[in-house]
Amino acid sequence: QKEVEQNSGPLSVPEGAIASLNCTYSDRVSQSFFWYRQYSGKSPELIMSIYSNGDKEDGRFTAQLNKASQYVSLLIRDSQPSDSATYLCAVISRDDKIIFGKGTRLHILP
Amino acid sequence: EAGVTQFPSHSVIEKGQTVTLRCDPISGHDNLYWYRRVMGKEIKFLLHFVKESKQDESGMPNNRFLAERTGGTYSTLKVQPAELEDSGVYFCASSLNQWGITDTQYFGPGTRLTVL
Repeated sequence: QKEVEQNSGPLSVPEGAIASLNCTYSDRVSQSFFWYRQYSGKSPELIMSIYSNGDKEDGRFTAQLNKASQYVSLLIRDSQPSDSATYLCAVISRDDKIIFGKGTRLHILP
Repeated sequence: EAGVTQFPSHSVIEKGQTVTLRCDPISGHDNLYWYRRVMGKEIKFLLHFVKESKQDESGMPNNRFLAERTGGTYSTLKVQPAELEDSGVYFCASSLNQWGITDTQYFGPGTRLTVL
């Protein structure tokens, strides 16, 4: 089982709709979770971090964490074409290393 | 404030040659990380510097890879001799404090290495 799993996509979402990105992780003791956005040919950029069960909102972005299910998600409301990118889920492992998923390609349809 | 910079942006070399990648972190960031993404795979941790000291180099693939951080400023990652499987994008990141709860890692643009 991979440590951090994401659906590679592409995930196509109409402009203005909600994009839902999902991630599961294998290490039950993980405590810190991150979502990075990476535009093609660019570097990953941190957009959300979450450490406690529940929802965390920042503008159009909401991160959701369920430690019992080992599941973290990112919702993007009112999706814009500029949201089209690869979204990387990352988890801090028990030995303090950051583990990335392969990423989900998101395509917002104008 | 300048971000993390990396040089070169692309490098194409032949198997057996040597390549040196450079990373300049954000000024004042003590923590510097190297990562690698091989095509089709996830980004993988290589090593972590705190100032000039190697805090964790458990992700380095083998002894063909040598990382240094002179004076706790910029860092170099040398691959000698390069092999085909070393091809990928090498990212550098820096943070003010160690990762985890308190700090953000800022990534550089990456160096795309192709070994022929």
